[in-house]
Amino acid sequence: SQKIEQNSEALNIQEGKTATLTCNYTNYSPAYLQWYRQDPGRGPVFLLLIRENEKEKRKERLKVTFDTTLKQSLFHITASQPADSATYLCASAGNSGYSTLTFGKGTMLLVSP
Amino acid sequence: DGGITQSPKYLFRKEGQNVTLSCEQNLNHDAMYWYRQDPGQGLRLIYYSQIVNDFQKGDIAEGYSVSREKKESFPLTVTSAQKNPTAFYLCATTGTSGGAGDGELFFGEGSRLTVL
Repeated sequence: SQKIEQNSEALNIQEGKTATLTCNYTNYSPAYLQWYRQDPGRGPVFLLLIRENEKEKRKERLKVTFDTTLKQSLFHITASQPADSATYLCASAGNSGYSTLTFGKGTMLLVSP
Repeated sequence: DGGITQSPKYLFRKEGQNVTLSCEQNLNHDAMYWYRQDPGQGLRLIYYSQIVNDFQKGDIAEGYSVSREKKESFPLTVTSAQKNPTAFYLCATTGTSGGAGDGELFFGEGSRLTVL
């Protein structure tokens, strides 16, 4: 079955550095990937959507890439700040079809001052 | 204020009891979703509805039921048949015609259910 996987280990970085989070998918070829941010005890908030023909997308300090050969999306936060500390989720078309999303387990990012 | 309202935020239930979680939206979105989140787990889809009076099972529908009598409302009932109901429940909507695959999901703040 199709899988979407993220590194379960937390990523610890220093303020000002670039954080890079990874999302890998197997057994399918998604037409798009989405990235969300989730703070503890809150609902996820949408950040970016990237389609398979876009390769790279940017929004302020955020950058997402989509490599269909490696079956991987990378999510970058440049000039990271402690306020960027959160769990980041990637998502793509769900097992129930195009109209639903399947989420990875998320990667926690901790940015130290 | 436009958005999605989930209630209650915290709920305690005794074993064997049914409980209903509310999800109301004023975004005028057609599609609504219920996800469950457990510690260390991703969001798992319980049920979804793309139009009033119609809904489909997600990946983990057993022990849950829903209704979609109004566009604004998509309540989730956790029945006594759900063996491990303690979890964080999230309601979401999307307004894109292609469903969740075409654009962003908007999430509520979640309801935390604890079975005593």
